[in-house]
Amino acid sequence: GENVEQHPSTLSVQEGDSAVIKCTYSDSASNYFPWYKQELGKRPQLIIDIRSNVGEKKDQRIAVTLNKTAKHFSLHITETQPEDSAVYFCAASIFGGGSNYKLTFGKGTLLTVNP
Amino acid sequence: NAGVTQTPKFQVLKTGQSMTLQCAQDMNHEYMSWYRQDPGMGLRLIHYSVGAGITDQGEVPNGYNVSRSTTEDFPLRLLSAAPSQTSVYFCASSSTGGPRDYGYTFGSGTRLTVV
Repeated sequence: GENVEQHPSTLSVQEGDSAVIKCTYSDSASNYFPWYKQELGKRPQLIIDIRSNVGEKKDQRIAVTLNKTAKHFSLHITETQPEDSAVYFCAASIFGGGSNYKLTFGKGTLLTVNP
Repeated sequence: NAGVTQTPKFQVLKTGQSMTLQCAQDMNHEYMSWYRQDPGMGLRLIHYSVGAGITDQGEVPNGYNVSRSTTEDFPLRLLSAAPSQTSVYFCASSSTGGPRDYGYTFGSGTRLTVV
């Protein structure tokens, strides 16, 4: 099955700096890569996703890049703010051709933005 | 529109006891799943369902049963609770397009402690 590795496990940045979280996946058939944000004690929420036919996607201060050849994708947060502090999870899945929509998650990155 | 509702929010069980974690969604989502979240382990899939009457195992199904008699409900049963099942459990749902098109909507979670 799919295996998703996520790095780093913890990341501390100063407010206003950029943060980058990287993930690698094992199954070359994976074609959907979402990112979830989980604040302390809360439920995970989708913040951005990318499909395999796209190399980059942006939404205001966050962006995701995908390198299908190397089987890795990254989350970029610019101009970080204290409210960006949370655990971020990457995930990978295969869609189409009778697939079952299962998402495999990375182990998460605890991002701390220091004021 | 309540989204995904999980009950109870907290539960303490004794080893060997059984219980059912409830999950209900009012968005007419076909796809539903159960994840467990443990420190440093990310979100691991227990069971999932692509529609009423259809269920399948995920990554860590042992010790858990599910059924899907209606589109709205997807209960998770612990047959004989063990301390290794101490975890936070999340139910999630998605539309027929699967998590690709609309992302997962997560419930607020159930924190289970087995003593």
